[in-house]
Amino acid sequence: SQQGEEDPQALSIQEGENATMNCSYKTSINNLQWYRQNSGRGLVHLILIRSNEREKHSGRLRVTLDTSKKSSSLLITASRAADTASYFCATGPMYNNNDMRFGAGTRLTVKP
Amino acid sequence: EPEVTQTPSHQVTQMGQEVILRCVPISNHLYFYWYRQILGQKVEFLVSFYNNEISEKSEIFDDQFSVERPDGSNFTLKIRSTKLEDSAMYFCASIGTSGSPGELFFGEGSRLTVL
Repeated sequence: SQQGEEDPQALSIQEGENATMNCSYKTSINNLQWYRQNSGRGLVHLILIRSNEREKHSGRLRVTLDTSKKSSSLLITASRAADTASYFCATGPMYNNNDMRFGAGTRLTVKP
Repeated sequence: EPEVTQTPSHQVTQMGQEVILRCVPISNHLYFYWYRQILGQKVEFLVSFYNNEISEKSEIFDDQFSVERPDGSNFTLKIRSTKLEDSAMYFCASIGTSGSPGELFFGEGSRLTVL
């Protein structure tokens, strides 16, 4: 299927540590995006990486994309308790780069 | 900052009843979406809407579901005869760009509880 699948399903770390979440997908994509969701809230866009890009940074976020392996990773450096949330990858298909499909997400808990 | 607004925030209904969930997307956006999230599970695509018609719909979006953009601002999702398994958070989202990939702007969701 086109949608991304994140792993791990859940990740628990101490404040200050780095958190790495992975996303795999099955079909060709135009772009891949990462979103964050606080419990019971709407999703918030974090970062977009196009299929011809390999790495992108935004503040403490680093995203990589390997289209040969159909995978992406999201690294959050120097995590904070406020980073506790669910993180979702979403893939945009080649035929319509705006029809995003989401995976099940990684639940990140950052302990103070 | 412009935002997507959704109403109601929570609706409780009896099985078999019709429900209308409302969304006001960001005013100059072009693509509109409904997603659904059963508690603690993945965010599932329901339908996309562009140029006043459905662009794509998922298998979930069966004949019980319909969408409308009646007045150029509201974007509604109607469930004609709700089932217990329709209980979920329903998120509206919109994208402003055309051609290039853009970020989805989500509303805060409408929680639907079917009894």
